[in-house]
Amino acid sequence: SAVISQKPSRDICQRGTSLTIQCQVDSQVTMMFWYRQQPGQSLTLIATANQGSEATYESGFVIDKFPISRPNLTFSTLTVSNMSPEDSSIYLCKAGENTEAFFGQGTRLTVV
Amino acid sequence: AQSVTQLGSHVSVSEGALVLLRCNYSSSVSVYLFWYVQYPNQGLQLLLKYLSGSTLVKGINGFEAEFNKSQTSFHLRKPSAHISDTAEYFCAVSPRGGQNFVFGPGTRLSVLP
Repeated sequence: SAVISQKPSRDICQRGTSLTIQCQVDSQVTMMFWYRQQPGQSLTLIATANQGSEATYESGFVIDKFPISRPNLTFSTLTVSNMSPEDSSIYLCKAGENTEAFFGQGTRLTVV
Repeated sequence: AQSVTQLGSHVSVSEGALVLLRCNYSSSVSVYLFWYVQYPNQGLQLLLKYLSGSTLVKGINGFEAEFNKSQTSFHLRKPSAHISDTAEYFCAVSPRGGQNFVFGPGTRLSVLP
């Protein structure tokens, strides 16, 4: 099984600022994904992080708000830009194929 | 497209009692099925998954689930609950040949002493 290191584990940020979340996998994976879990809710896919090309965003999520980088097969970042209190959520990365996928521990973001 | 429903947003059982968490899904294509657990202030941990073969799947911590294709269900079961099972449980589906996961809304399980 893959080991995924996600950081920071939590942060409290001022509105209007940006936060970059890192996801490091201990082995090469083709697929990496970013999810959001709003308070008391389930997980929603933000985007698929594609190595060597732009991320593929789901409906309701845009690159300007959630820019994603995927410089290699073991690493990805998600930036939450120009934050507002509505962005307070847990953000999780997922790595691997759907039959063998693993989640990071999540980043608990609070925007004040 | 796929969708997942979980009956009961909050389930309470006594320690030692049977745990039954319900999951139904809809999909126009064949899917893989998963149960994840989320302990307070933690990420998601895979409990078990159904990919193919035997419809009864055994997972970690004494949990098991049965895939029922005709009823499009994948209910999670544990014969005897433990206090440490208190957590949020998510059912998820992923289409064969695809990569996205669609999660259910989650069921919060409380195991009472």
